[in-house]
Amino acid sequence: NAGVTQTPKFRVLKTGQSMTLLCAQDMNHEYMYWYRQDPGMGLRLIHYSVGEGTTAKGEVPDGYNVSRLKKQNFLLGLESAAPSQTSVYFCASSSNRGQETQYFGPGTRLLVL
Amino acid sequence: GESVGLHLPTLSVQEGDNSIINCAYSNSASDYFIWYKQESGKGPQFIIDIRSNMDKRQGQRVTVLLNKTVKHLSLQIAATQPGDSAVYFCAEIVTSNDYKLSFGAGTTVTVRA
Repeated sequence: NAGVTQTPKFRVLKTGQSMTLLCAQDMNHEYMYWYRQDPGMGLRLIHYSVGEGTTAKGEVPDGYNVSRLKKQNFLLGLESAAPSQTSVYFCASSSNRGQETQYFGPGTRLLVL
Repeated sequence: GESVGLHLPTLSVQEGDNSIINCAYSNSASDYFIWYKQESGKGPQFIIDIRSNMDKRQGQRVTVLLNKTVKHLSLQIAATQPGDSAVYFCAEIVTSNDYKLSFGAGTTVTVRA
């Protein structure tokens, strides 16, 4: 049971490039989340999903897209990366309503030059 | 905007002493609170949670206190150890709002030998 895993661990992009961050969980969780963490600002919710095939906007969704084609995977896409998207990205998952604890992945460090 | 915050960004504690980390929240609709621990280079790790119908909950060496009157919660760590050095986040959930977590900025705890 690996829990929540994220790919890649680290990436450097040039402004305007695109990329996809992959999150996978093997706990059969319904809910999945993408956060970004910046110094002194805690974690901010980008997008989330309450089940396969569904997505919703979080606190800071602009510049990102997501997809949840399979229950165990939640993809975060950057279509045209900007330096302001330099951050550490964390994925999390939780089971269906009634068990709210979110389990986090190890993070992806992204640098946009 | 952010409704959860921590009183102090840093806390230095002597090994063996008790630590108290404070957090204030402003959303009276919040009905579930979680404390997370984040070590350097890792994702947040669940420590303990408390529901709004409780005022105290104990775990192994940790106690969370909730004061709904003044919208304050605290995390107490007994007999602080070097392994407790980390950033601690409080997070709140409004369960009627898709169980989205709202994080504070975090308190960095440093344990002195």
